[in-house]
Amino acid sequence: DAGVIQSPRHEVTEMGQEVTLRCKPISGHNSLFWYRQTMMRGLELLIYFNNNVPIDDSGMPEDRFSAKMPNASFSTLKIQPSEPRDSAVYFCASSLGGTGSYEQYFGPGTRLTVT
Amino acid sequence: GEDVEQSLFLSVREGDSSVINCTYTDSSSTYLYWYKQEPGAGLQLLTYIFSNMDMKQDQRLTVLLNKKDKHLSLRIADTQTGDSAIYFCAERTGGYQKVTFGTGTKLQVIP
Repeated sequence: DAGVIQSPRHEVTEMGQEVTLRCKPISGHNSLFWYRQTMMRGLELLIYFNNNVPIDDSGMPEDRFSAKMPNASFSTLKIQPSEPRDSAVYFCASSLGGTGSYEQYFGPGTRLTVT
Repeated sequence: GEDVEQSLFLSVREGDSSVINCTYTDSSSTYLYWYKQEPGAGLQLLTYIFSNMDMKQDQRLTVLLNKKDKHLSLRIADTQTGDSAIYFCAERTGGYQKVTFGTGTKLQVIP
């Protein structure tokens, strides 16, 4: 399996621009998570989906952030408009529910720099 | 509420054992995990323990769980330079698959 795929790996944009991060979870996994990692705040859960339905978006910083999961194999995280404080590494992770241990598999991350 | 805490930094000499500690607050935790993050990469699951277990061993890794004190530890035997990374403790408290991660402990292995 290819693992969790994220694109782009690096994104540099100017303040005020729209940014879209993409994620393809592992095939067959039914939960998907978006995290943000910074030196100051560590690893923060932004939102997670179960069977393509958003379950908990309480970690989304503000209305500038939105996430969608139109099908089981694709999700996007959009920031509009972007601000310098959004600079971070954004990770997508997926996991398989049922009776297992629910471990999460992380993608390589997207390093976002907003100037 | 859920809160997972770890010390920020640990330095050990190559060949020694490393012990990374973690405390959590939610007594209803079902699974507890240890993840490893190497520079420039995502988190990778190292091992996990179910809450009805006290210990789990996997090659050089030993996980100890003290439910009474809500304390989890990861021991790495014969620590190598390739073990240098950030180690995250995490807990799952039921309800879908949400997991709460700790702050991470940066392990530095000195040759």
